[in-house]
Amino acid sequence: DTGVSQDPRHKITKRGQNVTFRCDPISEHNRLYWYRQTLGQGPEFLTYFQNEAQLEKSRLLSDRFSAERPKGSFSTLEIQRTEQGDSAMYLCASSSRLAGGPGEQFFGPGTRLTVL
Amino acid sequence: AQKVTQAQTEISVVEKEDVTLDCVYETRDTTYYLFWYKQPPSGELVFLIRRNSFDEQNEISGRYSWNFQKSTSSFNFTITASQVVDSAVYFCGLITGFQKLVFGTGTRLLVSP
Repeated sequence: DTGVSQDPRHKITKRGQNVTFRCDPISEHNRLYWYRQTLGQGPEFLTYFQNEAQLEKSRLLSDRFSAERPKGSFSTLEIQRTEQGDSAMYLCASSSRLAGGPGEQFFGPGTRLTVL
Repeated sequence: AQKVTQAQTEISVVEKEDVTLDCVYETRDTTYYLFWYKQPPSGELVFLIRRNSFDEQNEISGRYSWNFQKSTSSFNFTITASQVVDSAVYFCGLITGFQKLVFGTGTRLLVSP
């Protein structure tokens, strides 16, 4: 399967702990996005990479959040000192200028984070 | 600022009924793209359609059709002869400038047999 993959699928942690999620985009896609989705809401944009460059960050991405895409392939999203309000589904998506055109982002299955 | 409004939180229909999901958007940009995504119970978002702001032609794909009207800033989605497998949450979205997708809050569609 060559779709977007995310790991882990589920993460339960205690408040104050650090967590890291990984996203592997579709191999030929140079654009990678992170979104957060809480219950009953649509996904909210967090950040966007083109190759290894982080081009845009949402105000939702507080200083406890950091995302990287060191070699322009997979990406990691780290949350430090987790809070209960961080509990959500974290979605990764990828796209390519050549595949589908603007905005046709291919989403992964998400990582569901629960902070106790 | 960009905004997408899906006023219908949940719609319930019986199989074979037609159903329309409403989407209203706000943007000051003249170039933008509108989308619909489906999120089945499994959770993975599935792309359905993209429409750019210069193309107001309606589109039909099988049982799905989309009506884009710039005059009312609406991009509505109709499912004809609904089926149980259509049960999902449907999101309307908007992109301008950078590739940030702005989603609405979604409409949950329940199709019962």
